[in-house]
Amino acid sequence: EVQLVESGGGLVQPGGSLRLSCAASGFTFNTYGMNWVRQAPGKGLEWVSYARDGRNTAYADSVRGRFTISRDDAKNSLYLQMNSLRAEDTAVYYCVRNTRYYMDVWGKGTTVTVSS
Amino acid sequence: EIVLTQFPATLSLSPGERATLSCRASQSVSSDLAWHQQKPGQAPRLLIYDASNRATGVPARFSGSGSGTDFTLTISGLEPEDSAVYYCQQRSNWPLTFGGGTKVEIK
Repeated sequence: EVQLVESGGGLVQPGGSLRLSCAASGFTFNTYGMNWVRQAPGKGLEWVSYARDGRNTAYADSVRGRFTISRDDAKNSLYLQMNSLRAEDTAVYYCVRNTRYYMDVWGKGTTVTVSS
Repeated sequence: EIVLTQFPATLSLSPGERATLSCRASQSVSSDLAWHQQKPGQAPRLLIYDASNRATGVPARFSGSGSGTDFTLTISGLEPEDSAVYYCQQRSNWPLTFGGGTKVEIK
C-alpha cells in the first residue's frame, strides 16, 4: 500500500523553527518528485515546495528563503526545515507525491501552529 | 502565477442530481488540470488528471472536461458520500496553484 506519514508538527513561537518529516512506503521513492502542500485553518490548499532531488527544488514565494526542502532517498524520507516562522504559516502540512506534476498521493498531514 | 477561479463557491443538491463545478484559469493551461476531492477532516484525494482522466479507483460518475482556460467537473447522480470540497489544480506553470474550492452539500 502506498503511504505517506508526516510528523514533526507542533506549537512554535513566532520567529522559531520546526522540521517536518515524511516517511514514504509502498512505492519506489527515488523515482518520484515530492511536494509539501499546506492548508490554513478553514482555508484552501497552497502548494509550498517541491523536490525531485537535492538540486531540483522549487518554493512558493511566501516561503522562499525561510523554508528548505530536502530528501533522503536511502531512508525514503522527505523533510521541510521551516525557519523564521510567522503566524500565517499556521496550517496543516501535507506531504504529497508528485506524478507528472499532479499531486497523486496525499499523507494525512501534520499540524503546525505558530503562536506566542 | 496562474490564478484558478472556481465557481460556484457552494452547491447544494439532492442525491441523484447532477453537480456541475467550474474552474477558470487566468491564462491557458492546455489540458494540464487536475481535480481533487477533500472530505471533512480528511486529506485531499486526486480524482481527475489531464482534465478528463479519472484516477485509479474513482467512480465513473465523476467526469472532467475542458481545455485552455475553462474546465468542468461533473458528478452524475450525486451520492451522500460526495459531500466534500473540490479543488482544481494546474501543473502548466510554476508555481503549481489550486483554485479556491467548491463545496458540494447534499440535501
